[in-house]
Amino acid sequence: NAGVMQNPRHLVRRRGQEARLRCSPMKGHSHVYWYRQLPEEGLKFMVYLQKENIIDESGMPKERFSAEFPKEGPSILRIQQVVRGDSAAYFCASSPQSAAHTQYFGPGTRLTVL
Amino acid sequence: QQQVKQSPQSLIVQKGGIPIINCAYENTAFDYFPWYQQFPGKGPALLIAIRPDVSEKKEGRFTISFNKSAKQFSLHIMDSQPGDSATYFCAASKGTSYGKLTFGQGTILTVHP
Repeated sequence: NAGVMQNPRHLVRRRGQEARLRCSPMKGHSHVYWYRQLPEEGLKFMVYLQKENIIDESGMPKERFSAEFPKEGPSILRIQQVVRGDSAAYFCASSPQSAAHTQYFGPGTRLTVL
Repeated sequence: QQQVKQSPQSLIVQKGGIPIINCAYENTAFDYFPWYQQFPGKGPALLIAIRPDVSEKKEGRFTISFNKSAKQFSLHIMDSQPGDSATYFCAASKGTSYGKLTFGQGTILTVHP
C-alpha cells in the first residue's frame, strides 16, 4: 500500500510565476490536508478537503492560493504569482473517513522562489 | 494565536538518556493529541497519540503523559538511541471526525552515541 505521494519534490519558481503542487492520498483515504512549514517552524494548517469539497480553508491566504481535490486525480495546491515569502515546504496529509484525525504525511514539496 | 506551545526548542542527551518534550494547549475543545517525528528532508511520521480519557500511553520506548487539568502533555523517550535524533512535533485536534491539526513549534532532539 503506497503512502501519500507528492510531486514534485522540489520546485523552483521565479517571482510572479505559478506553482502547482500535487498530492495523491493513500489508497482508501478520502480526506486531504495541506500544511506549510516555514524554515525552523512548525507546520501550519492551510486547507482540508474531501472529494470535490473544501471543508475548511481557514489557514489559506486570502489571495493567490487555491486548492482542489477533484473526483478523479490528485489534490492540487496552486499558488499564483509567487513571492519570495512563499518559499517553504508544503506537506500533504491524508486520512480515512472513519478516522479523520489520524493523518499520514507525504514527503513534501520544497518550493523555492527566486 | 499560538494554541499549542512546545518546549524546549532543542534538546541534547546521551545514548540511553530519557529526553522529555513538553506541550501545553489552550483550547479545551482539543481532545486528540498526537506526536510526530520528522527526519531532515522527510515528512512527519505519526509516532504515538493520546485521548484525554487516559493519563498515560506507552508504545515501545515512547510514552505520552497527559495532565488534563493542567492542559499539558509530554513525550518521554526511554533508552534513547542516536537513531532517535530528529525533530519532534506535538499536535492537537478537536474530535476524531475533524482532522485539522494544530502543531507545536517543534523540538530538535540530538542523541549522542
